[in-house]
Amino acid sequence: AQSVTQLDSQVPVFEEAPVELRCNYSSSVSVYLFWYVQYPNQGLQLLLKYLSGSTLVKGINGFEAEFNKSQTSFHLRKPSVHISDTAEYFCAVSDQETSGSRLTFGEGTQLTVNP
Amino acid sequence: NAGVTQTPKFQVLKTGQSMTLQCAQDMNHEYMSWYRQDPGMGLRLIHYSVGAGITDQGEVPNGYNVSRSTTEDFPLRLLSAAPSQTSVYFCASSYLGPWGPDTQYFGPGTRLTVL
Repeated sequence: AQSVTQLDSQVPVFEEAPVELRCNYSSSVSVYLFWYVQYPNQGLQLLLKYLSGSTLVKGINGFEAEFNKSQTSFHLRKPSVHISDTAEYFCAVSDQETSGSRLTFGEGTQLTVNP
Repeated sequence: NAGVTQTPKFQVLKTGQSMTLQCAQDMNHEYMSWYRQDPGMGLRLIHYSVGAGITDQGEVPNGYNVSRSTTEDFPLRLLSAAPSQTSVYFCASSYLGPWGPDTQYFGPGTRLTVL
């Protein structure tokens, strides 16, 4: 079985500051990793994903994440945040045996960007 | 393309009532899933389907039934609603790309309250 832990439930930052949202996972098999964003009263949309290859993954809206297999982490980063980045962010994992049909989500991190 | 659509957007039920949450996608995706979202718990998988006629249980299947008679539709049935089923329900769909699972597309959600 796989699990995901998002280490911070809330992250407040000031506009134009850098941010890192932390995600650790556990799994007995190789995994695929995802970050999704949820704006208020909306469904989730994909920010970025790691399937294979380069461990540094770039996504939409200037976000990037780095897969670290030895530390079983997939932290999300942005060098300079905007007010519009205020949202809830979810890390998710699926194992390669079920080919992505089952996503396990973390508890979510609320990012609040203050002026 | 409408993407993933869910109806209704809001629903209030009394304990013991039954109802069906509708989900449809027009992207010809093989995979469809139902999640529930509760505060501080992220999204939890209820049921999923890897194609028409094939369904399987997720993490929290008790009290819910699904069927997949067509590629497009994946309804979720609550047999006898309980207050513990008060939640926001999301439907999602995806297909397998060459490297593995592609993006999961989420519907806008159904907010269900059971009194």
